[in-house]
Amino acid sequence: EAAVTQSPRSKVAVTGGKVTLSCHQTNNHDYMYWYRQDTGHGLRLIHYSYVADSTEKGDIPDGYKASRPSQENFSLILELASLSQTAVYFCASSEQGYAEQFFGPGTRLTVL
Amino acid sequence: GEQVEQLPSILRVQEGSSASINCSYEDSASNYFPWYKQEPGENPKLIIDIRSNMERKQIQELIVLLDKKAKRFSLHITDTQPGDSAMYFCAAREGGSAKLIFGEGTKLTVSS
Repeated sequence: EAAVTQSPRSKVAVTGGKVTLSCHQTNNHDYMYWYRQDTGHGLRLIHYSYVADSTEKGDIPDGYKASRPSQENFSLILELASLSQTAVYFCASSEQGYAEQFFGPGTRLTVL
Repeated sequence: GEQVEQLPSILRVQEGSSASINCSYEDSASNYFPWYKQEPGENPKLIIDIRSNMERKQIQELIVLLDKKAKRFSLHITDTQPGDSAMYFCAAREGGSAKLIFGEGTKLTVSS
């Protein structure tokens, strides 16, 4: 079965600090995604990648950077964390862009 | 870009009855429509999907209908059980893209 793991599972950060969220998949999938979910709402795409060393902007990329150093790893970086970035962040992977996306367990980020 | 509207936001049904969730989209080029179920504190999990070359798909008690002309698709859960209580999200994949656009979700509660 597909395996997507995220670390940390929860984090408290200070406003203006740097935050790095990590995602690792063992599915041998080409595509990886980062979404954020605000309480009681749907998922919004931040960044995605279809090959190592390349990333693409999603629908809400402002304030976030992404890094895909290898097929297995995809990171989300908040250079200057803000209160409005408090949310749950989900990583996902898919074999192709048109295929089922498998989600990781999520990272709950609280910015104070 | 693509927009997906999902209704209702809250749905309460009695055990054994049917539940229906409706979604609409804007981009006529959208060609893939998955449905995800998310339980509290968990990640979204794919429960059923439909592609644009189909009008109806059924997996056990789940039925998905797609009306491309009206740009609408819907999920119907027959013979609901308390275990069906969860958040449900529809999504649409932008044509020619790997991006999934999610609806805001429906909180389904099945009471016994």
